[in-house]
Amino acid sequence: GQSLEQPSEVTAVEGAIVQINCTYQTSGFYGLSWYQQHDGGAPTFLSYNGLDGLEETGRFSSFLSRSDSYGYLLLQELQMKDSASYFCAVRRDYKLSFGAGTTVTVRA
Amino acid sequence: KAGVTQTPRYLIKTRGQQVTLSCSPISGHRSVSWYQQTPGQGLQFLFEYFSETQRNKGNFPGRFSGRQFSNSRSEMNVSTLELGDSALYLCASRESGGHEQFFGPGTRLTVL
Repeated sequence: GQSLEQPSEVTAVEGAIVQINCTYQTSGFYGLSWYQQHDGGAPTFLSYNGLDGLEETGRFSSFLSRSDSYGYLLLQELQMKDSASYFCAVRRDYKLSFGAGTTVTVRA
Repeated sequence: KAGVTQTPRYLIKTRGQQVTLSCSPISGHRSVSWYQQTPGQGLQFLFEYFSETQRNKGNFPGRFSGRQFSNSRSEMNVSTLELGDSALYLCASRESGGHEQFFGPGTRLTVL
């Protein structure tokens, strides 16, 4: 099965930069995705890395290195509304497997 | 386009009962997946359906089943409910070949 590891919690101040790492033990997957989930809400898609390298979408960037079995999500210019849980996920054989999630708390 | 809808939003059942949850995907999306979310286990994959065919199933007992209809709407059923089945059940739809899963608001199931 797929195993994805990410830190459980990260705390940072407004305006800071946070990097959430995701290491995985799987092969043959199609790409690494990231989702954001606010308390009481549904997960929403943030980014997808199908190839190695950096993908940038506004304040958020995501990176994948298949050779290192590693990816990360970079949150820049943190805002209070970024306080949420962030999940990395990989798809293989029509199954999307999620990491346990990283709770990001943004302090004023 | 309307988003993914799930009914009911909240449900309270007792042990031993069964429950059916419904999901309507975004119009045009033929792929529907179901997930169970709990504080202890996180987001766990249940099944994925495409054009009425189950393409994969997660590591859940046979009490968990699902189906998809010709209009892509999907249902999941849990029989002989156990306390541990209390969870948020999320449905998501995806365009064919797309990477982005669009999640519904979920059904919060409480088993007493």
